Amino acid sequence: AQRVTQPEKLLSVFKGAPVELKCNYSYSGSPELFWYVQYSRQRLQLLLRHISRESIKGFTADLNKGETSFHLKKPFAQEEDSAMYYCALNSGGYNKLIFGAGTRLAVHP
Amino acid sequence: EAQVTQNPRYLITVTGKKLTVTCSQNMNHEYMSWYRQDPGLGLRQIYYSMNVEVTDKGDVPEGYKVSRKEKRNFPLILESPSPNQTSLYFCASSAGYNEQFFGPGTRLTVL
Repeated sequence: AQRVTQPEKLLSVFKGAPVELKCNYSYSGSPELFWYVQYSRQRLQLLLRHISRESIKGFTADLNKGETSFHLKKPFAQEEDSAMYYCALNSGGYNKLIFGAGTRLAVHP
Repeated sequence: EAQVTQNPRYLITVTGKKLTVTCSQNMNHEYMSWYRQDPGLGLRQIYYSMNVEVTDKGDVPEGYKVSRKEKRNFPLILESPSPNQTSLYFCASSAGYNEQFFGPGTRLTVL
């Protein structure tokens, strides 16, 4: 079955600390993975996608097919990074996204 | 401004009273979707549409209907709402296999 797992409901760190939000997926084909972010009182928006191999707001994510993971990382967290983060899998075209349950990142001063 | 709009933003209703949540996008996107967001479950897709008059079920379609008569609009219809449909609903649109653009959400409470 196609599934996205985000094992942590809440990740709490101090400003300047490294951050890693975990995402594991289950998919038989070649996965297309995304990270979406929802800041307080804002819409859900795309943060990054694995095919772009880009760094957005200091965040990076590497697809590891062997471990079926797509963890989101940032070396130095900022308070403005506090938000809800969702890992998502495109499960076979037509933008049929399967989302994980989400991880709330809280960055404290 | 390119965006996805939803109406209403908040709705409290009673069991069995039919309701429609509208969704409109001004980006000429082919693909549109409806999701519900529940605590601990993330977003789950209800229905999606690949183009006008082409729709298909997502993961949790029971109790919902959709229609796509025009490219820009994709209303979500609850013929007989029940309390387990109390949730936060999001509409999204995209062009092809690209980024999905989400609406602001509609918080629905069914008493």
